Amino acid sequence: KNEVEQSPQNLTAQEGEFITINCSYSVGISALHWLQQHPGGGIVSLFMLSSGKKKHGRLIATINIQEKHSSLHITASHPRDSAVYICAVRKGGSEKLVFGKGTKLTVNP
Amino acid sequence: DGGITQSPKYLFRKEGQNVTLSCEQNLNHDAMYWYRQDPGQGLRLIYYSQIVNDFQKGDIAEGYSVSREKKESFPLTVTSAQKNPTAFYLCASRALHGDQETQYFGPGTRLLVL
Repeated sequence: KNEVEQSPQNLTAQEGEFITINCSYSVGISALHWLQQHPGGGIVSLFMLSSGKKKHGRLIATINIQEKHSSLHITASHPRDSAVYICAVRKGGSEKLVFGKGTKLTVNP
Repeated sequence: DGGITQSPKYLFRKEGQNVTLSCEQNLNHDAMYWYRQDPGQGLRLIYYSQIVNDFQKGDIAEGYSVSREKKESFPLTVTSAQKNPTAFYLCASRALHGDQETQYFGPGTRLLVL
């Protein structure tokens, strides 16, 4: 079993819909990252969380350390949000990140 | 503009050939990383370097080598010992600000075997 699991694998939505992508992990962590990978391959960092909740524009990320779970929400989704969203965790004390397989989001106009 | 550059964008390797992927950053970051991405899989760590003249093997280092002679540069060589090199390779660096960290990624190099 992978240490980081994301769901769903694929998600199709209509423009304007509220999107939720989930990430569960099975190890102790010091930080969790949400990343966005565009079709060309480039990856952009969205959030780093160690507790609570963060918001940036239409994106909201939450983490529940006790339940080992994080969610990424997109409000008022737009076709330009279409990308692969990747969850990654830093195990406590480690230099390495462990990555989920990603969630491919397609937002149709 | 600060960032990470990778070259080339596409690279073709012949059997038995070593190839080197370039990674340069002007962000003044100490920590740099090489990842491999295969379809349907998460990124996997090949090598990382926390400081100049030092680097450590990641989870899939066999068939690869790196150097870190300058802070700005972290080239990856895919040797002939890597039997399945076809993949998308991403270079990254890490910024630390107090307890906040941010990952920066290059645009990637797609390696194909002829």
